Amino acid sequence: DTAVSQTPKYLVTQMGNDKSIKCEQNLGHDTMYWYKQDSKKFLKIMFSYNNKELIINETVPNRFSPKSPDKAHLNLHINSLELGDSAVYFCASSQDRQYNEQFFGPGTRLTVL
Amino acid sequence: AQSVTQPDIHITVSEGASLELRCNYSYGATPYLFWYVQSPGQGLQLLLKYFSGDTLVQGIKGFEAEFKRSQSSFNLRKPSVHWSDAAEYFCAVGRFTGGGNKLTFGTGTQLKVEL
Repeated sequence: DTAVSQTPKYLVTQMGNDKSIKCEQNLGHDTMYWYKQDSKKFLKIMFSYNNKELIINETVPNRFSPKSPDKAHLNLHINSLELGDSAVYFCASSQDRQYNEQFFGPGTRLTVL
Repeated sequence: AQSVTQPDIHITVSEGASLELRCNYSYGATPYLFWYVQSPGQGLQLLLKYFSGDTLVQGIKGFEAEFKRSQSSFNLRKPSVHWSDAAEYFCAVGRFTGGGNKLTFGTGTQLKVEL
């Protein structure tokens, strides 16, 4: 039973394309997150949703648009991909927006050529 | 703003030896602290967390960590390392901001285990 799942696991695309990454959690959690891990393994939060409401929006280019159709799903759409977008993107979830542990998905490795 | 420092980028230990990974944080209020492990090509798995109470916390896989407020540290320890412990270890501090819980991660420590 996969708690937090992401698709696809790998994504290779050309500069300028638009792509989406999907995330689903079956833990019944209210809050979901997107993190970016760069080539030096540094992890930084991008967005957080609580019950489909955006609650954290870091300084991220507006080419990145998260969407939460329901509280179990949080997708990330990226327009006009750039070389610098190459990274591993992790989805995570937590019980609620308070101080609870976050459960991470396996990651999506995005490579922009 | 909060920050997390993991001073050791790489650490190599022999299997069966003890391990200590250092983590220092900067945070104005009571910190909520976590250690996560990332195996190659995998997501992050929570090893342990500190919210309050006993400053020595036990985690999974035989790991423990001690919160020392006076030193702003939350070091991770294991008395006897196994080859399967080779991975990247991340310390993180949680902060409630803008209505949500934001984790700030350190830069990670890569652990190599020699057989």
